[in-house]
Amino acid sequence: QVQLVESGGGVVQPGRSLRLSCAASGFTFSTYGMHWVRQAPGKGLEWVAVISSDGSNKYYADSLKGRFTISRDNSKDTVYLQMNSVRAEDTAVYYCAKDPSHCGGDCYFFDYWGQGVLVTVSS
Amino acid sequence: EIVLTQSPATLSLSPGERATLSCRASQSVSSYLAWYQHKPGQPPRLLIYDASNRATGIPARFSGSGSGTDFTLTISSLEPEDFAVYYCQQRDNWPLLTFGGGTTVEIK
Repeated sequence: QVQLVESGGGVVQPGRSLRLSCAASGFTFSTYGMHWVRQAPGKGLEWVAVISSDGSNKYYADSLKGRFTISRDNSKDTVYLQMNSVRAEDTAVYYCAKDPSHCGGDCYFFDYWGQGVLVTVSS
Repeated sequence: EIVLTQSPATLSLSPGERATLSCRASQSVSSYLAWYQHKPGQPPRLLIYDASNRATGIPARFSGSGSGTDFTLTISSLEPEDFAVYYCQQRDNWPLLTFGGGTTVEIK
């Protein structure tokens, strides 16, 4: 069965960096696009970034202003989110999510989600 | 950016009742709309994609309809496990994906 397990969360000071990881299993990772989605405390869901199956295409939410970078290592079945210059408003649960990728490319919705990892930005 | 507005914000119903949730887009998203169920402490679960297609393993009591700017998620008869927050999400304006603000279905 599909499993997505995030790690790397925790408390980080404003302006510092953090890297999240998401280890995938139960499917052929290298053939699916992957996303990060976040949920701030008491708020709704916010899409963060997507990376195509081979890593050649990456897209981000406008609100991130170039501070985050998504990447993947298909040899390790893992997707990453590098978070730089973090701000208080980046405090959220971060979910990695799998794209069904059956739309002649990525579908841009999410058929499986990890349990999420909490990132708290605080001094 | 395409804004998705969900209504009502909260729906108070009893088990066995019918739930009708609305999602309205600020511009047409064709049929490229998905619905998710989200319970506290769990990841969101895909219910419906492309407006009316049930995802794998989703019970038939969940159905989606609509196109363009107006969409509906219907739960025909609420089970106890259906009380949760529901989000819609558009993919028409990819890669700028957006979610609605959510509808909470609570026990009356």
